[in-house]
Amino acid sequence: GESVGLHLPTLSVQEGDNSIINCAYSNSASDYFIWYKQESGKGPQFIIDIRSNMDKRQGQRVTVLLNKTVKHLSLQIAATQPGDSAVYFCAENAMDSSYKLIFGSGTRLLVRP
Amino acid sequence: DTEVTQTPKHLVMGMTNKKSLKCEQHMGHRAMYWYKQKAKKPPELMFVYSYEKLSINESVPSRFSPECPNSSLLNLHLHALQPEDSALYLCAAGDRGLETQYFGPGTRLLVL
Repeated sequence: GESVGLHLPTLSVQEGDNSIINCAYSNSASDYFIWYKQESGKGPQFIIDIRSNMDKRQGQRVTVLLNKTVKHLSLQIAATQPGDSAVYFCAENAMDSSYKLIFGSGTRLLVRP
Repeated sequence: DTEVTQTPKHLVMGMTNKKSLKCEQHMGHRAMYWYKQKAKKPPELMFVYSYEKLSINESVPSRFSPECPNSSLLNLHLHALQPEDSALYLCAAGDRGLETQYFGPGTRLLVL
């Protein structure tokens, strides 16, 4: 995995506002990306995925945007709720025979009431 | 609710102990994974089993020994661990063709 330092980047938003969490990926050949949500003391929970032949994919209150030109991925959460407070990880598929996931360093989302 | 279960939830062991972590999935996925996660870090891949055979070992020390008794079960046998092995150990299951991996709740391990 990839990790940076001991401090997770943190995004603090007001309840009801929209949240945007960003991720830069490393491999231009990657063609599958996943966002996970991890609450304290729990395992990562699948949120949404996107393949490289798409620029945008929407789920319930969440949207993932993919910009392959700059190797950038974002997760948008609409009408952020207290239950959205967690650490969010992006992951890319290694696209070799291993089908390994390569995780980003994570972003902590804090929702202010 | 996760369809990947892990036991135990918490484990405390001494450096001379032998213990095992267990993982079970009922989704019919053909690939199963062990990850290690330290605080404030992303999960780090340890092992991959594909069709019940070990396909990837990410240079994990031999004090960690994986086992896949059948397509639904995955074990991680622990022996002579070090305090720095304390972490959250996560199991995941997926279909390699679909690529999504679904994680269990993890086992929080403390080595004294």
